[in-house]
Amino acid sequence: QQQVKQSPQSLIVQKGGISIINCAYENTAFDYFPWYQQFPGKGPALLIAIRPDVSEKKEGRFTISFNKSAKQFSLHIMDSQPGDSATYFCAAPGGNYGQNFVFGPGTRLSVLP
Amino acid sequence: DTEVTQTPKHLVMGMTNKKSLKCEQHMGHRAMYWYKQKAKKPPELMFVYSYEKLSINESVPSRFSPECPNSSLLNLHLHALQPEDSALYLCASSQDAESSYEQYFGPGTRLTVT
Repeated sequence: QQQVKQSPQSLIVQKGGISIINCAYENTAFDYFPWYQQFPGKGPALLIAIRPDVSEKKEGRFTISFNKSAKQFSLHIMDSQPGDSATYFCAAPGGNYGQNFVFGPGTRLSVLP
Repeated sequence: DTEVTQTPKHLVMGMTNKKSLKCEQHMGHRAMYWYKQKAKKPPELMFVYSYEKLSINESVPSRFSPECPNSSLLNLHLHALQPEDSALYLCASSQDAESSYEQYFGPGTRLTVT
């Protein structure tokens, strides 16, 4: 069964700063590694995902860095904005065919104005 | 339309009641999921349907009974629940099981068992 660790548990960043959230998985996986963003009272929404054969992917202010040998990947939010305040979950594919994604415990990000 | 809808938004039920949660998507997705999310915790996978067939049951107690009447609908039938089953129940869909990393979530049904 896939195990996913995520840090930090909570993060406070000033507006315009860089938010960095780290994730580590245990079992070798062959599918995409996504990050989800969840606002209070809403369901999670896919933010960005990366294939394990790519070391970095950037979409706007959001960048995923992937280290396959270390089984780690991280989310960088550049120029953080108060509207980015949310809970962020990384996820790693689990099961025999990667259909059941296992979510990390989450990071609660607060961006101060 | 990239929306997954869930009804009801809130549900309060007693331990002897029978109720159902409903989920609907019109994106043509062929994989649908039920998750349970406790406060300040990540979503926990309960069931996966692929092409209207149950493909994954994460050892969920039988008091939770999923049903997929067609490719757009997913139900979760509830019976004899316990107070510890109180949680946010999320439905999600993806294009297919191979695209499960890209799931579209509904807003959830907040369930309280009294």
